[in-house]
Amino acid sequence: DVKVTQSSRYLVKRTGEKVFLECVQDMDHENMFWYRQDPGLGLRLIYFSYDVKMKEKGDIPEGYSVSREKKERFSLILESASTNQTSMYLCASSLSFLAGAVKETQYFGPGTRLLVL
Amino acid sequence: DAKTTQPPSMDCAEGRAANLPCNHSTISGNEYVYWYRQIHSQGPQYIIHGLKNNETNEMASLIITEDRKSSTLILPHATLRDTAVYYCIVRGRNFNKFYFGSGTKLNVKP
Repeated sequence: DVKVTQSSRYLVKRTGEKVFLECVQDMDHENMFWYRQDPGLGLRLIYFSYDVKMKEKGDIPEGYSVSREKKERFSLILESASTNQTSMYLCASSLSFLAGAVKETQYFGPGTRLLVL
Repeated sequence: DAKTTQPPSMDCAEGRAANLPCNHSTISGNEYVYWYRQIHSQGPQYIIHGLKNNETNEMASLIITEDRKSSTLILPHATLRDTAVYYCIVRGRNFNKFYFGSGTKLNVKP
């Protein structure tokens, strides 16, 4: 089974702090994604990566950056946390964009609920 | 990606089949229908997907109408642990984004 893990289930940070959210997948997937989920807004894509050191902006990249130095690890960075970044953050991975619907299926981690005070 | 329409909530008795509908009238020929579910405070869980034909796996069945404008997810024997929000997603191949929308909150009752 695909396993996507996230470093923390719950996190409390103060405004202005630099925050790192870590995601690791163990299935050698090329693609990794960061979403945030807010009530009434569904899941919104922040960034994704289709290869090591590659990244693409999603729908709401402002205030975030990402890092992918190794294939299995994708980090989301909040350079200076703000209260409007309080949210549930979800990481996902998929095998490939090019190989068909089965391999493009995204598998999600358990989520990190971040509270910025 | 085509938009989807789902009822906001449904109830189902434990042990009975749960049939969750989804309308995707603007779906195009190369777009797949995916179903995920999200149990409270967890990440979304993949259930099943299909293109034209009906599909079945150990979790559920997916029935897609012949014109592909709607589909139904069937949980054959719902249990209390199936209580979750179920998302129907339609996506193509040009960009790997999943638009989850609001989903259907399925309440399985004893």
